[in-house]
Amino acid sequence: AQTVTQSQPEMSVQEAETVTLSCTYDTSESDYYLFWYKQPPSRQMILVIRQEAYKQQNATENRFSVNFQKAAKSFSLKISDSQLGDAAMYFCAYRWGSNYKLTFGKGTLLTVNP
Amino acid sequence: DAGITQSPRHKVTETGTPVTLRCHQTENHRYMYWYRQDPGHGLRLIHYSYGVKDTDKGEVSDGYSVSRSKTEDFLLTLESATSSQTSVYFCAISDQGATEAFFGQGTRLTVV
Repeated sequence: AQTVTQSQPEMSVQEAETVTLSCTYDTSESDYYLFWYKQPPSRQMILVIRQEAYKQQNATENRFSVNFQKAAKSFSLKISDSQLGDAAMYFCAYRWGSNYKLTFGKGTLLTVNP
Repeated sequence: DAGITQSPRHKVTETGTPVTLRCHQTENHRYMYWYRQDPGHGLRLIHYSYGVKDTDKGEVSDGYSVSRSKTEDFLLTLESATSSQTSVYFCAISDQGATEAFFGQGTRLTVV
């Protein structure tokens, strides 16, 4: 069974500093997608970044980047120059199967301190 | 933003009553999903649909049923609500060849 593990229930970072959120997953598939979603207090699920497993290059979206280690089944999110608006719950997710189902980690609550 | 609407947004109901949540999309996407979100569990898949009248169970399907009679609507029914079904419910959509899913705003259901 596919599982996604986020080992950090909570993290905090100072404004303008860098923080890394960890995610590991378990799968027997060779082709899949990985995602980081942000959920602010509004409850909206916002896609932060995606990574295709067959691409070795790490995905980057502005201040957000990932460190994708396929052999280690690790997919961490780095947030650079943290801003107050980055404070949210972050979910790592794995997409599997022909019906594009998502398996989520339990989430990491990120606090940004001014 | 993807056209996906959940209704109602909030609901309080009594134990033992039936409840139906609706997800409506205007994107003509093939796949639709119902997830529930609970503290300490992330989001977990309840049921999903891969076409009109084509549905299947997710990892936490007990106590729930779904129906999809039209491409745009996916209904989640709690036949007899229990307190353990108090949760936030999210609908999501995706399409063939798509690289992401889009989520509705969520429905907070409280069973008292």
